[in-house]
Amino acid sequence: GQQLNQSPQSMFIQEGEDVSMNCTSSSIFNTWLWYKQDPGEGPVLLIALYKAGELTSNGRLTAQFGITRKDSFLNISASIPSDVGIYFCAGQKSNFGNEKLTFGTGTRLTIIP
Amino acid sequence: GAGVSQSPRYKVAKRGQDVALRCDPISGHVSLFWYQQALGQGPEFLTYFQNEAQLDKSGLPSDRFFAERPEGSVSTLKIQRTQQEDSAVYLCASSLGGRQETQYFGPGTRLLVL
Repeated sequence: GQQLNQSPQSMFIQEGEDVSMNCTSSSIFNTWLWYKQDPGEGPVLLIALYKAGELTSNGRLTAQFGITRKDSFLNISASIPSDVGIYFCAGQKSNFGNEKLTFGTGTRLTIIP
Repeated sequence: GAGVSQSPRYKVAKRGQDVALRCDPISGHVSLFWYQQALGQGPEFLTYFQNEAQLDKSGLPSDRFFAERPEGSVSTLKIQRTQQEDSAVYLCASSLGGRQETQYFGPGTRLLVL
């Protein structure tokens, strides 16, 4: 099945650094979502974006919905150890919760001591 | 209230065995989804229920995969004659289904087919 393209595939950073990752698609989505998945757990929603051009923050996380509706970006400022995990973008064709999600390939974030 | 729960958390099956995976969604959530997550990949959609009706099963990889939600709450994903390529984490998610409503995921069932 289709998966969105995420980059980078993995990141190795030091605590306190800022992180940027992005997600691109060949088709338009009208909702962009960012999830975090810890080992042995299901994905947990971090940020939801519903309008092209929208910039939304959740604490140290900021995400943007690209104006072409084919991409999205996630930034994490001043990383801390609990930020370690795998980050997934996901797109939906509509704004409704009764529609399937198309996920990206994931970005694995590791913090180097 | 409680989140989405799934059982068993881990399942080891011999090739050719049938397995059944259970999902208990959040109470009152009408929308229920099953996703398959292969190692190192993002989750991929399998099937969707609205209450007891299976409205989309386009992601089921073969006719060995079958899902049901007979009373509109608990759902079961059944895989018949398991193959090694079925090894994956199977995630269940539920949602109220309305505008801008979030899909909440369970912890998943990790299936290993030997």
